[in-house]
Amino acid sequence: NAGVMQNPRHLVRRRGQEARLRCSPMKGHSHVYWYRQLPEEGLKFMVYLQKENIIDESGMPKERFSAEFPKEGPSILRIQQVVRGDSAAYFCASSPPPKERNEQFFGPGTRLTVL
Amino acid sequence: DQQVKQNSPSLSVQEGRISILNCDYTNSMFDYFLWYKKYPAEGPTFLISISSIKDKNEDGRFTVFLNKSAKHLSLHIVPSQPGDSAVYFCAARYFSGGYQKVTFGIGTKLQVIP
Repeated sequence: NAGVMQNPRHLVRRRGQEARLRCSPMKGHSHVYWYRQLPEEGLKFMVYLQKENIIDESGMPKERFSAEFPKEGPSILRIQQVVRGDSAAYFCASSPPPKERNEQFFGPGTRLTVL
Repeated sequence: DQQVKQNSPSLSVQEGRISILNCDYTNSMFDYFLWYKKYPAEGPTFLISISSIKDKNEDGRFTVFLNKSAKHLSLHIVPSQPGDSAVYFCAARYFSGGYQKVTFGIGTKLQVIP
């Protein structure tokens, strides 16, 4: 029973390039959450998606960032024209359909380094 | 606006003693509280949780206490073991309209000294 998968684990990009981070939720989980952890900071919520729907993107920067969770395939967090300040660990979590008291299960994260 | 606060960035405890990690929150809409543990280069893993209708939940060496009037919760680990050395995140959840939103604190780094 595989857990949440994220790839790549490490990603290096030069300023101005695009970064694509992938997340495959646990089997049976239809809800995906993306978080960002900047150095010396906690986990900051970015976006919450259900299959083919963005439920809450209140934590997403207004520009350059987008997320999707298509009917088939993994969830993708896309960062266009990366800048040095985007360097961080990006974590994906998944959960079953909402019932009360369900915790989120996290992937190992993708560490993005922008040169 | 930091709705979940962990004011101690780090804590050192001797092996065998009690570790107490604290967390404060401001949003009275939170109905469920969770603690996650994170090792370096790994994702957070769920540790223990408590509903807002309870004031204590225990699981082995881990106990979480909730004081709703003070908007404060704490995680007790006893006895502490070197393998408990990790970053501990406090998280709070509210559940509305069929969806949940979880807010995390910035974490407390626990070091258990052998």
